[in-house]
Order: sequence, then structure tokens, then C-alpha cells
Amino acid sequence: DVKVTQSSRYLVKRTGEKVFLECVQDMDHENMFWYRQDPGLGLRLIYFSYDVKMKEKGDIPEGYSVSREKKERFSLILESASTNQTSMYLCASRPPRTELSRANVLTFGAGSRLTVL
Amino acid sequence: QKEVEQDPGPLSVPEGAIVSLNCTYSNSAFQYFMWYRQYSRKGPELLMYTYSSGNKEDGRFTAQVDKSSKYISLFIRDSQPSDSATYLCAMSRYLNTGGFKTIFGAGTRLFVKA
Repeated sequence: DVKVTQSSRYLVKRTGEKVFLECVQDMDHENMFWYRQDPGLGLRLIYFSYDVKMKEKGDIPEGYSVSREKKERFSLILESASTNQTSMYLCASRPPRTELSRANVLTFGAGSRLTVL
Repeated sequence: QKEVEQDPGPLSVPEGAIVSLNCTYSNSAFQYFMWYRQYSRKGPELLMYTYSSGNKEDGRFTAQVDKSSKYISLFIRDSQPSDSATYLCAMSRYLNTGGFKTIFGAGTRLFVKA
């Protein structure tokens, strides 16, 4: 089974701090994603990456950036954290479309709950 | 209009009840339909996966898709306290760029009382 690991499960940061959220997957997937999950709003896509050093904006990229230096690792960066970025952050990966079976199924990490004071 | 609508609940049922969870969506281009289960303080995990209209059964779980009505359902038979979780519907479609677009419902929180 694919394993997606988010190393920081709970973080508390202060307004203006730089925050790094790390995500590692172990199945050699090209595609990786960062979502945030808020009550009543569901999962909203922040950024995704379909290859090393490639990134695409999702639906809510403002205030975030990402880094993909290695295939297995996808980092979400909050350059200057703000209180409205308090949320649950979920990393996910999925297999390439050439894998016909369930190529669109996302495997999620356990999440990183960030509180910005 | 939201792309996908899902009643957030909470839904509270006694053990052994049949549970019905539902989502409606607006874009008929979606082809793949999924249900994820998310336990408290965990990430979502895939529960059911279906393609096109019809029913799919897996143990106590049945996923139903009605593409003509843009309506999907998840039924849980003989519900157990261990089924207490948030259930998210999701759907995806191909993009011209070669990837997929996946959208998620807000999730329905389910409590099964012993």
C-alpha cells in the first residue's frame, strides 16, 4: 500500500512566522497534492505537482508556496503565517494516469493541524 | 451553485441501523465517484470507488450512482460504532491536459451509538 507521511502532526506558530509542512510518499508517484480542510468547506486544493520541480496552482494558492526537489517529497511553505491559515493540511499522492486501475484515486497522509496565534 | 453538495450532519443513529449518505453534483462530466472515510485526527481513506451509474457492494457498504440525476449515495447496513467517522464524497473527471480534476464534498459526520 502507498504510504504518505506527514511528519508534523500538530504545530502552533505565531503570526508572521515561516512554516514548513513536509510530506513524503513511498510509492514513486509523480503526482502529489496539498489540500486544506476546514469545517463546512471540505477539502480545497492549494497546490499540486506532477513531477520534480514542477508545480501548479490549485484553487486557493494565495499565501502559500511549494517545493518539489525530490520525487518522494513535497513541501508546503507558508512564508508569513496568518491566523486565517489555521487549518488541517492534508498531503496526497496518486499514481500516473498510465496505471489504468484507479489512476485518479488519492492516498492521503494523516494530516498536519496548524494553529496560528 | 456549488459543484458538490453534501449535508454536513451530524447524523446520529443506533447500532444496527441502515445509514444513507448522499451527495449531489452539478457537472455531468464527472465519471468516477468515490467515498472516503475519515476518522477523527486522521486523513481520509478510500472506502468505495465506482465508475458510471449503478450499484457497487462491498460487505456492509453499497455505493450507488445515478448520473442522470447527478446524485450519489453510500448505504451502510448493520452500522457499528466503529463506523463513526466523517464520510466525504468525491468525484473526478479527465482534463484536456491529461490529468484529473477531483472535487470533494464537505463531509457528513456520522455517530453510531452502541
